Amino acid sequence: DGGITQSPKYLFRKEGQNVTLSCEQNLNHDAMYWYRQDPGQGLRLIYYSQIVNDFQKGDIAEGYSVSREKKESFPLTVTSAQKNPTAFYLCASSRRKGVTDTQYFGPGTRLTVL
Amino acid sequence: ELKVEQNPLFLSMQEGKNYTIYCNYSTTSDRLYWYRQDPGKSLESLFVLLSNGAVKQEGRLMASLDTKARLSTLHITAAVHDLSATYFCAGASGNTPLVFGKGTRLSVIA
Repeated sequence: DGGITQSPKYLFRKEGQNVTLSCEQNLNHDAMYWYRQDPGQGLRLIYYSQIVNDFQKGDIAEGYSVSREKKESFPLTVTSAQKNPTAFYLCASSRRKGVTDTQYFGPGTRLTVL
Repeated sequence: ELKVEQNPLFLSMQEGKNYTIYCNYSTTSDRLYWYRQDPGKSLESLFVLLSNGAVKQEGRLMASLDTKARLSTLHITAAVHDLSATYFCAGASGNTPLVFGKGTRLSVIA
């Protein structure tokens, strides 16, 4: 089955630690995205990537980092510089950014800082 | 900069009733998406609207787009409990990423 997988489903982090959230897709999509969702809020874009080895900052990139070494993988690292990282993180992909292709979302990772 | 506003943010409806969720956007958006999110779950794509006057329907949900008014609507007909969820609209223009509204939390009650 084609789709987007995210792991882990739940993640607990101590203050001062970096953690990495995994996102993998087997849809052969070019573009991938990371969003953050806080309770009762919409989605805010953290980073996106249109092609391998290239990515752009979204609206709230501070305290986060990404890499895109493979087309199917787009991991997100939440660094200790992110002051309030507790949130629901969603990864998405689409065939190409900037055209009419729909974004498809993974199941999400819920990150809690202890 | 594109801004997307939804209203209402919370909606409680009785089963069998009709209602409309509104999505206004601030600048030109050449495509408009509607997504559904169940509690604790991810987003599921419902509709993509690409042109003025576009109308799409799936079951009890119908979405429309008026680009002149910069307005999209999601109409719910004869609501049932299974439609309880949060509904998001999102717009984009040209090469820009999607901009999401804050969502409308719909609760259908007996």
